[in-house]
Amino acid sequence: GENVEQHPSTLSVQEGDSAVIKCTYSDSASNYFPWYKQELGKRPQLIIDIRSNVGEKKDQRIAVTLNKTAKHFSLHITETQPEDSAVYFCAASDTGANNLFFGTGTRLTVIP
Amino acid sequence: ETGVTQTPRHLVMGMTNKKSLKCEQHLGHNAMYWYKQSAKKPLELMFVYSLEERVENNSVPSRFSPECPNSSHLFLHLHTLQPEDSALYLCASSLAQGATGYTFGSGTRLTVV
Repeated sequence: GENVEQHPSTLSVQEGDSAVIKCTYSDSASNYFPWYKQELGKRPQLIIDIRSNVGEKKDQRIAVTLNKTAKHFSLHITETQPEDSAVYFCAASDTGANNLFFGTGTRLTVIP
Repeated sequence: ETGVTQTPRHLVMGMTNKKSLKCEQHLGHNAMYWYKQSAKKPLELMFVYSLEERVENNSVPSRFSPECPNSSHLFLHLHTLQPEDSALYLCASSLAQGATGYTFGSGTRLTVV
């Protein structure tokens, strides 16, 4: 099955700086890569996703890049704010198989 | 609430107890999932239901027993659990099997004593 690895496990940045979280996956059949944000005590929420036919996608301060050849994808947050502090999970799936496999999560702390 | 509701929010149970977790969605989704979230581990997929039929069981011990009576409700029946089963249990749903865009519930924080 799919194996998703995520780094780093913790990340601290100063407010206004950028944050980058990286994930790798093992199954070349995976074609959908969402990112979820989970604030303390709350549910994971989808913040951005990318499909394998696209190399980059951006939504305001958040962007995701995908390198299918290397089987890795990254989340980029620019101009970080304290409310960006949360645990971020990457995931990968072959939508035909219906399974979403998650990384171990990155705890991001934005220091005011 | 985003449309996926889980009850109870917190549960403490002894190893000999029987309890059930409930998940309910009124989003019109036809696929529902149970995930286990433990500290420092990936979200672990436990069960997948599509149109009320179980389509995936990821080698989950039999002390966890899912039930999906209709497309809006999903249960996880718990029996003779172990302390290592303590975790956050998350329910999710999606429009259809193979669809993207999972919606998660807030989870049930389970503690086995």
